[in-house]
Amino acid sequence: DTGVSQNPRHKITKRGQNVTFRCDPISEHNRLYWYRQTLGQGPEFLTYFQNEAQLEKSRLLSDRFSAERPKGSFSTLEIQRTEQGDSAMYLCASSSITGGPDTQYFGPGTRLTVL
Amino acid sequence: ILNVEQSPQSLHVQEGDSTNFTCSFPSSNFYALHWYRWETAKSPEALFVMTLNGDEKKKGRISATLNTKEGYSYLYIKGSQPEDSATYLCASTGGGNKLTFGTGTQLKVEL
Repeated sequence: DTGVSQNPRHKITKRGQNVTFRCDPISEHNRLYWYRQTLGQGPEFLTYFQNEAQLEKSRLLSDRFSAERPKGSFSTLEIQRTEQGDSAMYLCASSSITGGPDTQYFGPGTRLTVL
Repeated sequence: ILNVEQSPQSLHVQEGDSTNFTCSFPSSNFYALHWYRWETAKSPEALFVMTLNGDEKKKGRISATLNTKEGYSYLYIKGSQPEDSATYLCASTGGGNKLTFGTGTQLKVEL
C-alpha cells in the first residue's frame, strides 16, 4: 500500500506530557498538510509544507505545537505540555503540484486523548 | 456565507433510496470545491474536485454539481447501498491550498 501512513493510530497521554506524531506521505508528493478534527467539527487546517519549507501556519497552532519536515519526506507534529483541549483526531495529507487545485490524500489519522 | 456549511447533519435512508446533500461555501475568492467520503477507522477518500461554475462530476452511483455564483454544491447518491454509509465532507479552497471543511453529513444506509 503506497498511501499516506500515520503513527501511532491512537495515543493516550496525561496532561502536561509531550507527544509526537509521525506522517509518511505518498512518496512523490512534495506538499504535506496537518489538520485537526475535534468532536462534531470538520477537520481544521494546522500547517502546510512544500518540500521541507513550512509555508503556512494556522493561528490554531499555538507555541506548544511544532511541526517539521526535515528532509522533505516524512513529517512530525509535536505537542508540548498537552492539555485536555488538545484531544482530537490529527490528520495528515499529501499532494503533488499539478498546476491546478491539489487533490489532498489523507492518512487514517492519530487519535489523541489527553487525560 | 462566511464558513463552509453542510446539511443535513445526518441522514438515514433505506437501501435502494437515492439521496442528496448540500454544501454551501463563500462564493467570493473561490478556487475549488472538494468532496470526501470518510468511513469509520479509515482515511478520508477524495471523491471529486470541481472548479468551474456548472461543473458536474460522476463516479459510479455518486455525482456532484457546482454553482460558484450562489456558492453551493450538491452531492447525489443513486440507489444507496450499505457500503455508502460514511461521513461525507465538503471543503473549499480560496486560492491557497488549505482546505476549509464543513462539519459533514453522516449517512447511514439501512437494509
